Amino acid sequence: AAGVIQSPRHLIKEKRETATLKCYPIPRHDTVYWYQQGPGQDPQFLISFYEKMQSDKGSIPDRFSAQQFSDYHSELNMSSLELGDSALYFCASSLVGTSGGLKTQYFGPGTRLLVL
Amino acid sequence: GEDVEQSLFLSVREGDSSVINCTYTDSSSTYLYWYKQEPGAGLQLLTYIFSNMDMKQDQRLTVLLNKKDKHLSLRIADTQTGDSAIYFCAETPWATNKLIFGTGTLLAVQP
Repeated sequence: AAGVIQSPRHLIKEKRETATLKCYPIPRHDTVYWYQQGPGQDPQFLISFYEKMQSDKGSIPDRFSAQQFSDYHSELNMSSLELGDSALYFCASSLVGTSGGLKTQYFGPGTRLLVL
Repeated sequence: GEDVEQSLFLSVREGDSSVINCTYTDSSSTYLYWYKQEPGAGLQLLTYIFSNMDMKQDQRLTVLLNKKDKHLSLRIADTQTGDSAIYFCAETPWATNKLIFGTGTLLAVQP
């Protein structure tokens, strides 16, 4: 079965540079989520999109922005990178739909970002 | 609140049972989850439980939920070395779909 695809898998940037992370959800999933996991930390929710509209916002810095495109893929744009942005960035997708019930999130393998 | 707490480490011998505990604070959560993360890898959904259930069994995994005490546990029967990983409990607060993760428990299985 198709899974969530993230690219790149690894990225090395210098301070003050910009980075763009891409996420391709499972086909027919309508919702994309972004999480940040620092070294030895639990994943922290950043932002989510449902049907291309922002649906929820967490602890995402103002230097970061994200969007979901018409083909449902999503990009996380990170500017003015800081050393503390070094982390594993996960994308997850789910089929939320319009009814209640379980909306399991399936995670991608993550993008490991190192800021030097 | 959105604090989800877990003990940091658990060490067991191969073949024993493991019990990983989790305490959450948001009683509005409809579903509670257990995710497994192997070193350098992504998050794998192991199992979940609906908030109106007390117990759910799925092969070697048993989830117990005490909603009154906001306590969730994951029991792994016949623990194997391949079960060594970090285990995260997670909840989705009411009216959101975001996951709030616990602090994670590192399970070390000794041969």
